[in-house]
Parts: sequence; C-alpha cells; structure tokens
Amino acid sequence: GQNIDQPTEMTATEGAIVQINCTYQTSGFNGLFWYQQHAGEAPTFLSYNVLDGLEEKGRFSSFLSRSKGYSYLLLKELQMKDSASYLCASMDSNYQLIWGAGTKLIIKP
Amino acid sequence: ETGVTQTPRHLVMGMTNKKSLKCEQHLGHNAMYWYKQSAKKPLELMFVYNFKEQTENNSVPSRFSPECPNSSHLFLHLHTLQPEDSALYLCASSQDFEDSEAFFGQGTRLTVV
Repeated sequence: GQNIDQPTEMTATEGAIVQINCTYQTSGFNGLFWYQQHAGEAPTFLSYNVLDGLEEKGRFSSFLSRSKGYSYLLLKELQMKDSASYLCASMDSNYQLIWGAGTKLIIKP
Repeated sequence: ETGVTQTPRHLVMGMTNKKSLKCEQHLGHNAMYWYKQSAKKPLELMFVYNFKEQTENNSVPSRFSPECPNSSHLFLHLHTLQPEDSALYLCASSQDFEDSEAFFGQGTRLTVV
C-alpha cells in the first residue's frame, strides 16, 4: 500500500534549527512535496524534490533520498511565524499526491 | 491570497439538507481538485478535473457530487450527509494535472449536525 509517515508534533525554540522527517512508500514516484499550513489557512507550497540531494530556499531546505524513501525539511533561524503544520506528500506514478497527516511545529520563545 | 477562492468559509448543515460548495480560480489553471481534510488525518483526494473533465473519483460516496462548468469554477454538491462528513473541504488548482505545484483555497469548514 501507499504510505507517508511523519511525526505528529515537534517543538523547537525561536532562532534554532529543526528538521522534520518524512518517509514514503508509493506506487511509483514523481516527486516529493512539502507544504506549510497555518491554522485555519490554505496549505502553501514550500518545495519540490525529484532528484536526490538538498534544495535550499532561504531559511528552508528540503532533502531527498529516493533509495531510502526519505525526505526532510530543514528550517533554520526559526521565527514565531513558522509555527504551523508541515505536510509531506509524494506524487505517485499516476501523478496523484499521497499525503502525510502533517507535522505540527510549535515554536517557543 | 493564493488565487483560489472558496465559499462559504463555514457551513453548518443538517443531514437532510442540500448545499453546495464553490471554488473559483483565476490563475489560468487547467486542473482542479477537491480534498477532504479531517483532524490529524492525511489530506484525502476526492475528485480531480483536468480540462473540465473528471479524471479521478477516489471511491467517494454519491452524497458528494462534483460539477465543473468551466475551467475556472468547481462545485461540490452535498446532500444527505453524515456527521462523519464534518471536515475541512479544500479546493486546489494546478497548471496541469501533472504539475508540481498546487494552489489551495482556504477551505470550507463543514459541520454536519
């Protein structure tokens, strides 16, 4: 079956670094996505990885290892506004997104 | 503002009611989607429309009925819902069905009483 696993909740301190892990098992693979969703708001696109390695975009970076079925989202210099849920999703061979349940990130001062 | 607008933002309906959710995008996208988001559960893809044609129906009960009159508008018609259908219903669009980035609306919070 198809499955995405990510931690339910994480807590980090303002100014610190946090890594949110995601493992995936999908029928075929057409890329790994990360979305951010603030409470009561729409999910917004953060990153897309289809090749192995690290993609950096400002304070956020995303890593992919296709052989391990593994990705992580790295957030640096955490700010209070980064408190949100982070959704991991894998696109399968039918170009359907298979979603994880999301990781709620709590930032403390 | 993501370019995808959903109305209403909140909806309370009885199990015998009929209501419709509306989604509108002016991004020039060709693919539109309905998702269901329940607390602490993964997003569930319900329907996909590509160039106004329905391409996916992921075993959704018939009490949910989608309609896509044109490439900018998507509706979800609801009738005789159950309390377990209470959830956040999200609409999304992407340039094409295989596109890497989807733009989401803010959702309709539906409560079935």
